[in-house]
Order: sequence, then structure tokens, then C-alpha cells
Amino acid sequence: DAGITQSPRHKVTETGTPVTLRCHQTENHRYMYWYRQDPGHGLRLIHYSYGVKDTDKGEVSDGYSVSRSKTEDFLLTLESATSSQTSVYFCAISESASGQPQHFGDGTRLSIL
Amino acid sequence: AQTVTQSQPEMSVQEAETVTLSCTYDTSESDYYLFWYKQPPSRQMILVIRQEAYKQQNATENRFSVNFQKAAKSFSLKISDSQLGDAAMYFCAYRIWGAQKLVFGQGTRLTINP
Repeated sequence: DAGITQSPRHKVTETGTPVTLRCHQTENHRYMYWYRQDPGHGLRLIHYSYGVKDTDKGEVSDGYSVSRSKTEDFLLTLESATSSQTSVYFCAISESASGQPQHFGDGTRLSIL
Repeated sequence: AQTVTQSQPEMSVQEAETVTLSCTYDTSESDYYLFWYKQPPSRQMILVIRQEAYKQQNATENRFSVNFQKAAKSFSLKISDSQLGDAAMYFCAYRIWGAQKLVFGQGTRLTINP
């Protein structure tokens, strides 16, 4: 299994509070990704990183920010959580931007009340 | 727009039999990659199989094989000798060469009947 750890695994919080999810990898892969999974939508890309301090937006980036200060860590922040951000969040890593598959963490279930 | 469609929300099969999950995709690109991921109740996303669009030969991984029809933009997954542990959601995904985004289908829930 790819060495990817997401924390926390579960979180319940209230609307308007800030939330940070962490993804930690031990594979030294250059590329890291945050996806959200909602019923009927499969997984959708929020943000990705192609190196330390290099990040870019995905298709559903509104309301989210990311940071990558070290190769191994990729943080996803909800500055002011809303109920529409209730979802399961997956981190993924990849060696390259070509055809290498992305390997996923175990996911974080986030509930915003 | 790039889209991936899995037209079967649910499928079931008897243990030891063969089942095929369908996937179609829409793209104007010529260089891309296709994947099948499995998501069991544990929520993990596990890579099952991968296909490069430039390869005509269908990928195979043990009991899992694909039928890749590039002209038809079809990428079905065949599971032979189905086992109880194969029960899961299966997602088809597509990635353009050099692009970051994996585009996922909505998933097919596979049930294995003992």
C-alpha cells in the first residue's frame, strides 16, 4: 500500500468554523491531490500540488485553500465551513503527471452541521 | 467537456461467475489513460487496472481484464470467477496525458451473491 495518511479520519464541526485536513505521504512523490466524493458525482478534484509551494486549482476549488510547505505534507483548509462542504475527502499522490496512477489515502469524512 | 459515464448504478453476480461493468467516456484527446478503481465498504480507493490509450492490447490483472474499444470510447471491466471480496463500488476514471485531473464516473455498486 502507498504510504498515505490522512488526518483526521472523521470530523464533525459547525458552519462557519475553519477546518484543516492533513495528508502525509512517505513515498516522496512530487504530485499530491485533494478530491471530494459526493453521491452521484464520483470524485472531483479540488486542488493539486506539483511541488513544494506549487499548487493549482481543480474543478471544485471555491471555498478551499491548500498549502504544501514540505514534500510529504499537503493541507486542505476550509476557511469558513459550509454545509455544502459536507463530504468525504480523499488525498492522492502520483509520481508523475503522465500515465502513472494516482494512489489514494483512506479518506476523511467531514460533516458540517 | 471530458465526461465518464457508468450506465449501471448497480450490478449483481453469483459467486464464481463472470460479470462485466460498462464505462464510456467522451474526449477529443488522443493520449490518455484509463483506470478502474475499487472502493470497498472500508472506503479505500484501490487501483484495479490501468490501460494506456495508445496500446491496442487489453490490460489484464489476474481475474480482472478490460475490453478497450478506442473508436467507441468504451472501457469495460470484466471480473472472472467472482469472489465475495470483489463486492464494492467500482469507478472508471480517465486522465489526459500530462493533465492532473482524474475524471471519474459515478460508480457501479457490485454485489456478489453466495
